[in-house]
Amino acid sequence: SQQGEEDPQALSIQEGENATMNCSYKTSINNLQWYRQNSGRGLVHLILIRSNEREKHSGRLRVTLDTSKKSSSLLITASRAADTASYFCATGGAQKLVFGQGTRLTINP
Amino acid sequence: DTGVSQNPRHKITKRGQNVTFRCDPISEHNRLYWYRQTLGQGPEFLTYFQNEAQLEKSRLLSDRFSAERPKGSFSTLEIQRTEQGDSAMYLCAEIRTSTDTQYFGPGTRLTVL
Repeated sequence: SQQGEEDPQALSIQEGENATMNCSYKTSINNLQWYRQNSGRGLVHLILIRSNEREKHSGRLRVTLDTSKKSSSLLITASRAADTASYFCATGGAQKLVFGQGTRLTINP
Repeated sequence: DTGVSQNPRHKITKRGQNVTFRCDPISEHNRLYWYRQTLGQGPEFLTYFQNEAQLEKSRLLSDRFSAERPKGSFSTLEIQRTEQGDSAMYLCAEIRTSTDTQYFGPGTRLTVL
């Protein structure tokens, strides 16, 4: 069963706009990770945020974590066509990762 | 490129045939994981190894599935008597020392006709 749920399931924006994706999860966590997957490819790790962190940045990515609401968000600023992909949140770590169903992001030129 | 390789990248087989996939992690003795991903869904955990020991298996891993990791290096995932419902992307990942991050290979896409 899926641990998390991403929202929205699909998002289409214009190049240069910001994209925000949300993830909710069910159980307590040590950390939460975000991955990107281009069509038909493997997953690329984007960022890991620990349960004692509230916000983390990496380049154009900004991740927030609210453990009281069991939710996280991923913000991609100044989107590019190359950001078109599916984005997944995942909880777990050294044991198995449990993924949400993902958000399909399309960046229109 | 994470350095984790999987072969083959694509496999088309007929129902009832056996298939075997291989995963080569970047390092020996790191934890190694197998996941299955169907179209439009997130990956689902199948099993993982610490060295050659298989430490956990998902309920998704029916008795037609078997995974091995001889000598704690590469790993194989075999599916016997394939069924159309086995059609999916099979992903391998490794976790690197002192991190909680799993690094994924490119996956093997299986199509069962």
